[in-house]
Amino acid sequence: DADVTQTPRNRITKTGKRIMLECSQTKGHDRMYWYRQDPGLGLRLIYYSFDVKDINKGEISDGYSVSRQAQAKFSLSLESAIPNQTALYFCATSDFGVAGASSTDTQYFGPGTRLTVL
Amino acid sequence: RKEVEQDPGPFNVPEGATVAFNCTYSNSASQSFFWYRQDCRKEPKLLMSVYSSGNEDGRFTAQLNRASQYISLLIRDSKLSDSATYLCVVKLTGGGNKLTFGTGTQLKVEL
Repeated sequence: DADVTQTPRNRITKTGKRIMLECSQTKGHDRMYWYRQDPGLGLRLIYYSFDVKDINKGEISDGYSVSRQAQAKFSLSLESAIPNQTALYFCATSDFGVAGASSTDTQYFGPGTRLTVL
Repeated sequence: RKEVEQDPGPFNVPEGATVAFNCTYSNSASQSFFWYRQDCRKEPKLLMSVYSSGNEDGRFTAQLNRASQYISLLIRDSKLSDSATYLCVVKLTGGGNKLTFGTGTQLKVEL
């Protein structure tokens, strides 16, 4: 079974609709992230959470909100979807550890949700 | 200027070739450096971390030049299965675990 899962995997919706993307992880990590990926722009951070009580905005949080329901669950909502929110959305998790002089803070990504807003 | 810049490619190389990708970053406070691999329509996965002394993992070698704010990835004896997009990733000091991703360099290994 995958360690980081996302639902749905694909979604087509209309402008103005409310959409929720869900992410679950079995890795036991405290840190979770939401990114979007657009052609030519790379991955951009939307929101991140370092534990259940800690939510932080990323570089492109406008138009999005999140909820950290439990250590293992982190949801992303689009309150009123618009066409320029069409993108590939990834959830990621990480733990933080130190190995010698370098951190081992690898991020593990879910399989992605392809969202199309018409 | 983008925080992390990469040549988008594509790099089309024959099987067995050696290929090198470069990446530059703009923030001198950057602390940690990584190469991630992303297959078409799939999630990114960590390929290797990049250490100041340089590091090697099989056919892959990563180098860091802090003075020039430059990271490289060398792939020797390239395989068809190496075809993917390679993402240069940087983490700032004090930024928690927030990563900044380059847009990626696409590699196509051909017969």
